[in-house]
Amino acid sequence: AQSVTQPDIHITVSEGASLELRCNYSYGATPYLFWYVQSPGQGLQLLLKYFSGDTLVQGIKGFEAEFKRSQSSFNLRKPSVHWSDAAEYFCAVYAGNMLTFGGGTRLMVKP
Amino acid sequence: DTGVSQNPRHKITKRGQNVTFRCDPISEHNRLYWYRQTLGQGPEFLTYFQNEAQLEKSRLLSDRFSAERPKGSFSTLEIQRTEQGDSAMYLCASSLEEGGLDYGYTFGSGTRLTVV
Repeated sequence: AQSVTQPDIHITVSEGASLELRCNYSYGATPYLFWYVQSPGQGLQLLLKYFSGDTLVQGIKGFEAEFKRSQSSFNLRKPSVHWSDAAEYFCAVYAGNMLTFGGGTRLMVKP
Repeated sequence: DTGVSQNPRHKITKRGQNVTFRCDPISEHNRLYWYRQTLGQGPEFLTYFQNEAQLEKSRLLSDRFSAERPKGSFSTLEIQRTEQGDSAMYLCASSLEEGGLDYGYTFGSGTRLTVV
């Protein structure tokens, strides 16, 4: 069965600093991978997705993610974090007709 | 189209009562999913529909839970004889599946259930 691990439960970065959120997946075939963001009390918003092709994918709000098959990873990055990026971030793998999510990483941004 | 709509946004109920939530998906989406999310966790799959057919149910979905999607439009999720452990955010999502490829879910804002 597929699974997703987000090793960092909480991350704090200063505004303007770069960000990398880690995601590792376990799936036997070629994965379809997603990153979602969730603000408090809200649903999930899709940031970006990887289906095939270029392993570096661009998303909304200046985010990008790189798929590395050899490391079973799909890390999310942003070169300069804004205070409005503070939220919870979820990585997910699509397999077996459903999305399986990781436990999430809560991002806090220091002024 | 205003996206995926869920009602109510919040529900407080006493233990043992029945509750029903509604989800209105994006109209052209043929798939509809229900997920449950507890505090500090990622969403967990409950069930999904392809049009009006319920194709898969998680073992998390006990006999007290039932979901329907009449005519392949809106969906309802009912919980009978609620327990305190049912307290969670219930998320609905819809997507368009074509040719075996799902183009990504659009989530609603969720219904937060509190069982007291």
